[in-house]
Amino acid sequence: AQSVTQPDIHITVSEGASLELRCNYSYGATPYLFWYVQSPGQGLQLLLKYFSGDTLVQGIKGFEAEFKRSQSSFNLRKPSVHWSDAAEYFCAVVPNRDDKIIFGKGTRLHILP
Amino acid sequence: NAGVMQNPRHLVRRRGQEARLRCSPMKGHSHVYWYRQLPEEGLKFMVYLQKENIIDESGMPKERFSAEFPKEGPSILRIQQVVRGDSAAYFCASSPGQFSYEQYFGPGTRLTVT
Repeated sequence: AQSVTQPDIHITVSEGASLELRCNYSYGATPYLFWYVQSPGQGLQLLLKYFSGDTLVQGIKGFEAEFKRSQSSFNLRKPSVHWSDAAEYFCAVVPNRDDKIIFGKGTRLHILP
Repeated sequence: NAGVMQNPRHLVRRRGQEARLRCSPMKGHSHVYWYRQLPEEGLKFMVYLQKENIIDESGMPKERFSAEFPKEGPSILRIQQVVRGDSAAYFCASSPGQFSYEQYFGPGTRLTVT
């Protein structure tokens, strides 16, 4: 079945450490890809998106993501996390232009001081 | 340009009551989507509306749930005779056109059924 998979439900990193959150999808071709962040009790904020072109995408708050077609992955990275990055992160996919957006189940990021 | 507005932000209802959730899209946006987020889950699509039309309601429960987007005023998600399982965060998104990849999300309404 077509899906968006975020294999890590929880991730804990120390403040200042690097971060990588994984996202895999099972749709063919090149879908539209997104990462959103949700702070507790808040709505979704778009971090970055990939439609086409350069496979390394820069986003807000120092985040970047790399689209790897061969691995059907769109992993989110940050070189040095801050305590304020503690939140839930959702990967999302629009398989084709006319399709609905589909969300992964999210990865909750915890930051150790 | 104000973002997508949702109200109320928090709503408490007793079992059997009705819940009405409102969503005002961004200015110039005529397409609205509703999503439900259960604990430990991502957002699940419920319904897609344009002004005065329901385009896709494939994610809506068959009973008790309805949605509208009138010519004037906000979009309304209505849940009749709420049950505990309806407790969730409900998010609205709007877009300027028919493509969901152009969506902007509101802050959500957190519904608690007691």
